[in-house]
Amino acid sequence: QKEVEQDPGPLSVPEGAIVSLNCTYSNSAFQYFMWYRQYSRKGPELLMYTYSSGNKEDGRFTAQVDKSSKYISLFIRDSQPSDSATYLCAMGTGTSYDKVIFGPGTSLSVIP
Amino acid sequence: GAVVSQHPSWVICKSGTSVKIECRSLDFQATTMFWYRQFPKQSLMLMATSNEGSKATYEQGVEKDKFLINHASLTLSTLTVTSAHPEDSSFYICSARDRGTQYFGPGTRLLVL
Repeated sequence: QKEVEQDPGPLSVPEGAIVSLNCTYSNSAFQYFMWYRQYSRKGPELLMYTYSSGNKEDGRFTAQVDKSSKYISLFIRDSQPSDSATYLCAMGTGTSYDKVIFGPGTSLSVIP
Repeated sequence: GAVVSQHPSWVICKSGTSVKIECRSLDFQATTMFWYRQFPKQSLMLMATSNEGSKATYEQGVEKDKFLINHASLTLSTLTVTSAHPEDSSFYICSARDRGTQYFGPGTRLLVL
């Protein structure tokens, strides 16, 4: 079993739809969680960062963490064509020699 | 947010030559930087962790003599691909850690002919 699993998609939605992106993980030592957005041929860009279980909102983006189920989600409201990208979940343990583990990414297309 | 730059953004070289890629943290100091490579439509693969003032830690299967990493200052890490071959063609991305969060550079696309 991989440490972090993520449905690779591709996911295609109409403009304005609510998008739900998910990751599951197996290591209960993970303490912080991130979502990155990567446009084609570009480096990943940090979208959301959270430590605790629950929801964190930033504009149209909501990150949700359920540590008991080892499950994290990213919701995008009112999706726009400019949201079309690959979304990577990432997580780490927060220890001194911590390595961030990335999911394989979900490819999202928002159709106008 | 923190900014990480990479140079060059694009490089084409002949087989057998060496290529150096620079990664800089522009507005923060990073004791730890990371080097990844990414093949088309695949996720990031961690190659090595670069620590300022000490030797890099390489992931299993990554040849340390092939991919030389130097982290000489708190704002600069370099990756040198030695004796590059066509199979080394890839997208190389660095990241730097700032207070627990990793910020990525824009990536360097390497094409070895």
